[in-house]
Amino acid sequence: DVKVTQSSRYLVKRTGEKVFLECVQDMDHENMFWYRQDPGLGLRLIYFSYDVKMKEKGDIPEGYSVSREKKERFSLILESASTNQTSMYLCASNGVPLYEQYFGPGTRLTVT
Amino acid sequence: GNSVTQMEGPVTLSEEAFLTINCTYTATGYPSLFWYVQYPGEGLQLLLKATKADDKGSNKGFEATYRKETTSFHLEKGSVQVSDSAVYFCALSLTGANSKLTFGKGITLSVRP
Repeated sequence: DVKVTQSSRYLVKRTGEKVFLECVQDMDHENMFWYRQDPGLGLRLIYFSYDVKMKEKGDIPEGYSVSREKKERFSLILESASTNQTSMYLCASNGVPLYEQYFGPGTRLTVT
Repeated sequence: GNSVTQMEGPVTLSEEAFLTINCTYTATGYPSLFWYVQYPGEGLQLLLKATKADDKGSNKGFEATYRKETTSFHLEKGSVQVSDSAVYFCALSLTGANSKLTFGKGITLSVRP
């Protein structure tokens, strides 16, 4: 079974802190994605990566950065956390067939 | 641009009721269409998919048919169970677009015993 794991299920951080969310997949997938999920807004793409050290902005990249040093790992970084970044963060990956994305369980981040 | 519109929720049904969740889309090319499901406390998982017009995707008693003429991909199930309570997302992906998915806002389904 494909497995996408995220480093934390719940995280509480203070405004201004630097926050790292980690995602690891075990299927040698090329593509990896970070989304945030908010009630009434669905899933919105923050960043994605189609290869090691490659990244592209999604629909809402402001306030976020990413890192992909190894194929299996994709990190989302909040440089200076703000309360409007309180959300559920979901990581996903896919390989072949390209259209099926596999999701991690999510990290619920609260910024106080 | 590309977009997916789902009917407003939440939806509450009694067990064994018939389910329809509407989904329509706008796309610049010829998309593949998906339904994802998110059970409480979990990430999303693919429920079913259709990659070309008139295809029917099916899984776990759920079905959806890719209707190009009405740009729709409505989800149906003949008899829902309590275990179907979840959030359902309609999504599309365009070939060659790095397989990015565009999601609808999701709809919460609650099934009463």
